Amino acid sequence: DADVTQTPRNRITKTGKRIMLECSQTKGHDRMYWYRQDPGLGLRLIYYSFDVKDINKGEISDGYSVSRQAQAKFSLSLESAIPNQTALYFCATSDLRTGTGELFFGEGSRLTVL
Amino acid sequence: AQSVTQPDIHITVSEGASLELRCNYSYGATPYLFWYVQSPGQGLQLLLKYFSGDTLVQGIKGFEAEFKRSQSSFNLRKPSVHWSDAAEYFCAVGRPGDYKLSFGAGTTVTVRA
Repeated sequence: DADVTQTPRNRITKTGKRIMLECSQTKGHDRMYWYRQDPGLGLRLIYYSFDVKDINKGEISDGYSVSRQAQAKFSLSLESAIPNQTALYFCATSDLRTGTGELFFGEGSRLTVL
Repeated sequence: AQSVTQPDIHITVSEGASLELRCNYSYGATPYLFWYVQSPGQGLQLLLKYFSGDTLVQGIKGFEAEFKRSQSSFNLRKPSVHWSDAAEYFCAVGRPGDYKLSFGAGTTVTVRA
């Protein structure tokens, strides 16, 4: 089983709909992240959380919100999806104890907004 | 903030030939450096990382990378590519104590028979 699990893996939705992408991890890491991947742009950080009570905006947080329900769970919401949010979304974790920021990724959630 | 440039968007290489992917970073001190690989339909897998010490680092799948401070580079190499190396490769940089990585735009590698 994957250490970082994302659901759903694929989702097609319509403009204006609310969408939630969920991430859970069994690695015991305290730090969790949501990245977005677009062709030619690499990965860009949307939100990150260093513990349950700590939520921080990344470089492209507009239009997104997150919730850290537990140490192992970090969900990303699109309150009103728009077509330019069509992308591949990755959840990742890192371990505070290493101090390096090395990321461990889920397999991605592909979102299409029509 | 740190930034990463991968100058090559797409590289085509013959199976058995050598491969070098370029990565340049912008950061005042010694950063933490990473190479990740993304195979089609998969997540990102860590190939190798550099934090300090020996500037030539070995990774998985026969890859290596060399940190050159004077050139602000961390280029990835493989002496002989296999068809299974066809993938997208991302260079990433982090600042000590920051715990956030910045990624390059990626280089897509195509391997021809």
